[in-house]
Amino acid sequence: EAGVTQSPTHLIKTRGQQVTLRCSPISGHTSVYWYQQALGLGLQFLLWYDEGEERNRGNFPPRFSGRQFPNYSSELNVNALELEDSALYLCASSSQTGNNQPQHFGDGTRLSIL
Amino acid sequence: SQKIEQNSEALNIQEGKTATLTCNYTNYSPAYLQWYRQDPGRGPVFLLLIRENEKEKRKERLKVTFDTTLKQSLFHITASQPADSATYLCARTQRSGYSTLTFGKGTMLLVSP
Repeated sequence: EAGVTQSPTHLIKTRGQQVTLRCSPISGHTSVYWYQQALGLGLQFLLWYDEGEERNRGNFPPRFSGRQFPNYSSELNVNALELEDSALYLCASSSQTGNNQPQHFGDGTRLSIL
Repeated sequence: SQKIEQNSEALNIQEGKTATLTCNYTNYSPAYLQWYRQDPGRGPVFLLLIRENEKEKRKERLKVTFDTTLKQSLFHITASQPADSATYLCARTQRSGYSTLTFGKGTMLLVSP
């Protein structure tokens, strides 16, 4: 079984630019979660998508957005990049909704803002 | 707000000993606590989940406890090995039914031969 895949693995951008990160969940998983892991801050929840709908959003500004496609893959878009957006962006998927479901993570996209 | 706190200092132990990591939470007890392992440059890997009404959960050399009185979960690795060296993350769920997790910052475990 293929795990969660994310692309690209690394990305370098400059302030003010826009970026799109992609995530393919495990086959059969309908829920996709996005997290930001900045140095010293731990994993911060960004967005949760299930069945194509945004179900929950973390405490991030509106320039962080995303969507989920009919095949359950997902994109995370970040506009007007700022230096503090430099982080590892992790995507996870789960087979069902509900707070007793483990999340399966990809290895992330490392985003560096210059 | 709901918080998860883990010891930020690295835990250094010798091979063969039992490693014990602590996770403390604030406010109401979460319905579930989850533990993950994260290696450098990799995404977290799910290890164990424990329900609020479970005192203890085991999986091979791993054991997790959940004490709602102390608002604390302990994560034990028995007979530790150098390959167990990693950062271990504790995460709480919400009661509202949302699937989102609130993670602690993790504790780095270093097992020396």
